[in-house]
Amino acid sequence: QQQVKQSPQSLIVQKGGISIINCAYENTAFDYFPWYQQFPGKGPALLIAIRPDVSEKKEGRFTISFNKSAKQFSLHIMDSQPGDSATYFCAAAAYGGATNKLIFGTGTLLAVQP
Amino acid sequence: ETGVTQSPTHLIKTRGQQVTLRCSSQSGHNTVSWYQQALGQGPQFIFQYYREEENGRGNFPPRFSGLQFPNYSSELNVNALELDDSALYLCASSSRQGRNEQFFGPGTRLTVL
Repeated sequence: QQQVKQSPQSLIVQKGGISIINCAYENTAFDYFPWYQQFPGKGPALLIAIRPDVSEKKEGRFTISFNKSAKQFSLHIMDSQPGDSATYFCAAAAYGGATNKLIFGTGTLLAVQP
Repeated sequence: ETGVTQSPTHLIKTRGQQVTLRCSSQSGHNTVSWYQQALGQGPQFIFQYYREEENGRGNFPPRFSGLQFPNYSSELNVNALELDDSALYLCASSSRQGRNEQFFGPGTRLTVL
């Protein structure tokens, strides 16, 4: 019940296209859903996050869509650029609990071709 | 504002040895969490420190231990190293327990031979 399932494992998109990464969770106590971007040899960098009281959040070219009833959320990268090539992780946390530990998905390796 | 820093960057140890990794939290942050990231995997929560006390632990054995200091910096200690401990160890800081975003440092790459 603590798992966060992420798909696809890898994704190839043409420059200017839309990248879509999906995640699903089971634990209804989760109330915080961030996305992280990680380049090789670096730590994860927080991209964008959403709480379940909204269905969508947009920051620049990055959008999170959230479906509470389906327990799914997704990251959309509009106008994908080669510089977006990285590994993307979704995560979830139950901030009402004693520990705000993040449960991560398994990651999606995105390659944006020029 | 200084971000999360970790030291050392890389470390090579042999099986059975002990290792200490260090983390300085972002300015204004009082909570530090440690994660282990094996190659090709997502980070796994080890434990969290708040007000110098352990505040939650993941599925890691007692040979993984930690400290938090009054300036909110933290250490991760691993005793009796095993080959499977080879991973990227990440520290994340946040500004208030349970509420805010976690910001990660660059990590320490530990290789156990």
